[in-house]
Amino acid sequence: NAGVMQNPRHLVRRRGQEARLRCSPMKGHSHVYWYRQLPEEGLKFMVYLQKENIIDESGMPKERFSAEFPKEGPSILRIQQVVRGDSAAYFCASYTRNLSGRINEQFFGPGTRLTVL
Amino acid sequence: DQQVKQNSPSLSVQEGRISILNCDYTNSMFDYFLWYKKYPAEGPTFLISISSIKDKNEDGRFTVFLNKSAKHLSLHIVPSQPGDSAVYFCAARAIAGGTSYGKLTFGQGTILTVHP
Repeated sequence: NAGVMQNPRHLVRRRGQEARLRCSPMKGHSHVYWYRQLPEEGLKFMVYLQKENIIDESGMPKERFSAEFPKEGPSILRIQQVVRGDSAAYFCASYTRNLSGRINEQFFGPGTRLTVL
Repeated sequence: DQQVKQNSPSLSVQEGRISILNCDYTNSMFDYFLWYKKYPAEGPTFLISISSIKDKNEDGRFTVFLNKSAKHLSLHIVPSQPGDSAVYFCAARAIAGGTSYGKLTFGQGTILTVHP
């Protein structure tokens, strides 16, 4: 998973504050997925973005969560008015396509561990 | 609705022996399956994958078997090494071209411990 960068690696917020998580995909990748891992669970899909477009946000909570992937700069996952239940590890991933255009495996970043006090 | 299930939370194996990790799925639209390995405080690392048109894929010590009729796949590690100790996630992707957009559905993970 070398190449997908996430920062910060650890983020502590108090209830009601905002959390901003950043993801830079591998060089040459213009597609990003965000996943959330709650304690003792597997990763759950949140949102899929291309540059300047949200393609699939079916896994995003309806309120307080938003994501963007601007033309320049990293993808941002934003959580407003955080609550204790938002404490989790948030991972982003980018993928390659093979010569046939088929999507290959997703490469994950190291994650951001959000703790809400 | 847990579409991908790993029913064994943990597995303990002696070094040199075979490790077998299992995964079941319910969604018939899944056409591509992956195994990821994860160490604490790191992101998942891709290990091996298999397309639904195959029933076996091998890469060194790692082999993945797919039984479509049973909606079951397994990962075999032979021989197991202490460095294999990690959490293993099974993941599945729905048929390309649909509305899944390539998103992965993960199982809950199995903690593998390989004893020296």
